[in-house]
Formats: sequence, structure tokens, C-alpha cells
Amino acid sequence: EVQLVDSGGGLVQPGGSLRLSCAAFRFTFSNYWMNWVRQAPGKGLEWVANIKQDGSEKYYEDSVKGRFTISRDNAKKSLYLQMNSLRAEDTAVYYCARDQGGLLDVWGKGTTVTVSS
Amino acid sequence: SYVLTQPPSVSVAPGKTATITCGGNNIGSQSVHWYQQKPGQAPVLVIYTDSDRPSGIPERFSGSNSGNTATLTITRVEAGDEADYYCQVWGSSGDPHVVFGGGTKLTVL
Repeated sequence: EVQLVDSGGGLVQPGGSLRLSCAAFRFTFSNYWMNWVRQAPGKGLEWVANIKQDGSEKYYEDSVKGRFTISRDNAKKSLYLQMNSLRAEDTAVYYCARDQGGLLDVWGKGTTVTVSS
Repeated sequence: SYVLTQPPSVSVAPGKTATITCGGNNIGSQSVHWYQQKPGQAPVLVIYTDSDRPSGIPERFSGSNSGNTATLTITRVEAGDEADYYCQVWGSSGDPHVVFGGGTKLTVL
């Protein structure tokens, strides 16, 4: 079964950093754009960032530009999200998701990030 | 940026038909995808490209898209359909990005 396993969440103080990871199983990872999507407590889905198959293009939601960096390692079949200068409003469940031509057809179970002092 | 508007909530009795709308400027010219999310779980794709169903999704789920409104229809609603539903498009201007609607909470009475 095709699967994404996201990890790396935790409790971090405002201004701190965290690196999320997403491991891909049973599909050719290097063939797909990949995304990070987040969901704040009690709120809707919010797209965060995406990255092209070879990592040559990366795009970000405005509120995370300059603070978050998406990257990938196709040899390790892994996606990453480096989050710096974290704010309380970044508190959310973060999902990695495979992009199948503009739709997100495979999702990880999510990893929780809590930014609090 | 492109905005998708969904009603916050829809209620329906078991066995009836639920209709969830997703409004956007000329959304009919775009491909719309729908996700179901149950509490504590990741979203699941239930309709893609306006009206196609992934394997494993019941035929009770259908979609349409025209003009300024896309619609998710669930016939013969069951208690297990109670969930949040999100519409989604690919951003049509600027950098490549994903746009979600605000979500609709479907309550089965």
C-alpha cells in the first residue's frame, strides 16, 4: 500500500526551530510534486509549501515565506520542512501529501507542532 | 488570491441527500477536488477532477462543477458520512499552489 509517514513534531518555544520529515513507501517518490499542509486546532486545511520532483522549484504560503524551507531527498524517499522563527500561530497538525497533477491523493497521518512558552 | 467559499455546516437526516457547495469565481473552468476528514484523521480524497471517484469511494458520492459553483452530493446519507468536507483547486494565478475551501461540517441528524 502506498504510504506517507510524517514525523518530527513536538513542543517548541516561540522563536525556536523544528524539522519535520515525511518518508514515502511503495511508490516512486521522485516522480511527484510533494506538499506540506497544516491544520490549526479547530480550523480548516491550509496549504504551506510544495516542491517539484527534482527540488528545483519550491513555493510557499505567504505567512511562512522566509521562515520555512521545504526540501527533499529522492535517494532517501523523504520530504522535509525546516521551520524557523516559529510563532504561536504555527501551532497545527502538519501533513505531507503527494501531489497527483494538482490533487492530493496520498496523505500522511500528520505530526503535531505546538509553539508555546 | 483565489478564494473558495463553503457553507460552514450542512445537516441532513439519514437516508436523505446532502449537498455541499463550493463557490469561486469561474470555478467551472477549473478542476475541483473534494476531501473528507473525520475527527483525528487525515483527509481522504473522495472526488477528483469535478466528478470522478477514487477506487473504494461509494457511488453515493458524486460531484459537479459549473459556472461559479462546484457541488459535492452524497445520496442515501449514512451516519458514517458525518465529517468535514473540503473542496480544493490548483491556484490559477501566481506561483503554483494549492487552494482549499474553508470546509463544511456535515452533520447526520
